[in-house]
Amino acid sequence: GNSVTQMEGPVTLSEEAFLTINCTYTATGYPSLFWYVQYPGEGLQLLLKATKADDKGSNKGFEATYRKETTSFHLEKGSVQVSDSAVYFCALSKGVQGAQKLVFGQGTRLTINP
Amino acid sequence: DAGVIQSPRHEVTEMGQEVTLRCKPISGHDYLFWYRQTMMRGLELLIYFNNNVPIDDSGMPEDRFSAKMPNASFSTLKIQPSEPRDSAVYFCASSLSRGYSNQPQHFGDGTRLSIL
Repeated sequence: GNSVTQMEGPVTLSEEAFLTINCTYTATGYPSLFWYVQYPGEGLQLLLKATKADDKGSNKGFEATYRKETTSFHLEKGSVQVSDSAVYFCALSKGVQGAQKLVFGQGTRLTINP
Repeated sequence: DAGVIQSPRHEVTEMGQEVTLRCKPISGHDYLFWYRQTMMRGLELLIYFNNNVPIDDSGMPEDRFSAKMPNASFSTLKIQPSEPRDSAVYFCASSLSRGYSNQPQHFGDGTRLSIL
């Protein structure tokens, strides 16, 4: 079946450090891939997405590239800020046309210290 | 634009009581999802609807849980009777299919449920 595996947290970095959160997936065919972010006390928000191989999703300084050869969608940011502290979820969506079921990874808690 | 609206934000009740969680999806969205989030199990999909019809309820933990969507702008998740192990944050999300599976889901802020 479809599944997503994320790097285990928690991850703690200093402000302005480089961030990578690893995400790999298992799926047949060509899933769409997403990163969601959850700030304390809130629901999940879409951070970025990619819908086909070699697509790069980007938003708020975060980037992730859809790598079909390595079945990966790693999240990166060149210089993190304290406000980036949150839980990050990698997810995939695959199904028949119009189907919207998402499969989430377990989440990675990120803490940025000033 | 109004996002997904959930109520109540917090609910504390005693074991055995009936609990009803409510969700108003984004207007025009044709998919609605109910999730449960716990430290132990992470984010779990309980059930989802398309055009008000339940499509997949395989994530509903047991018969104590039920969900309805009487119209396009309202859904409920009911637990009866509630148990302490039901304590979690419950999220509702909605999305617009537009015929493709790559449309993002939009989440509400969740209901934090505590069963004593």
